Amino acid sequence: GQNIDQPTEMTATEGAIVQINCTYQTSGFNGLFWYQQHAGEAPTFLSYNVLDGLEEKGRFSSFLSRSKGYSYLLLKELQMKDSASYLCAVGNQAGTALIFGKGTTLSVSS
Amino acid sequence: SAVISQKPSRDICQRGTSLTIQCQVDSQVTMMFWYRQQPGQSLTLIATANQGSEATYESGFVIDKFPISRPNLTFSTLTVSNMSPEDSSIYLCSVERGVKTEAFFGQGTRLTVV
Repeated sequence: GQNIDQPTEMTATEGAIVQINCTYQTSGFNGLFWYQQHAGEAPTFLSYNVLDGLEEKGRFSSFLSRSKGYSYLLLKELQMKDSASYLCAVGNQAGTALIFGKGTTLSVSS
Repeated sequence: SAVISQKPSRDICQRGTSLTIQCQVDSQVTMMFWYRQQPGQSLTLIATANQGSEATYESGFVIDKFPISRPNLTFSTLTVSNMSPEDSSIYLCSVERGVKTEAFFGQGTRLTVV
């Protein structure tokens, strides 16, 4: 079956660094995605990994280990506006819909 | 990239009625996807819509409840039929991604059934 696990909630303070982990078991693998979703809005794309290693994009970085079925999203220099839900999603095979984890709600406090 | 226009953005409906959600894409795509996001939950795939063929539904979703149309390569509709309060959710359309690109989403339709 398909399974994507990530923590339900996390809290952090402004200026800190937070790491959101995601583990997956899927029948195929064609890339791992991270999305940010603010309440009441559609998800917005953050990052994409298909090869092992770290992808850095400004304050956000994403890491992938395909052999371990593991990814993390690293958020640096946290800001209040980073309070949102972060969704880990796996592309099973080309042309198919993404499979989403349940999302991690991050609360950033001052 | 793809720009997806979805409407309505929100609606409040009476139980027993039906609502049709429209999704318009600014470029031709082979596959479009419809997701549901119940309150506090993640996205669950309802069905995949290919142009010219019947939609393929995921386990737990049936055509009688969620009929889908795909008349051309830039447009699709999802109807939520005979609604009950349990259908209150955000419904999102998405399009297939290209190689090394993300999935693009419409703005979502927030449905409340009373």
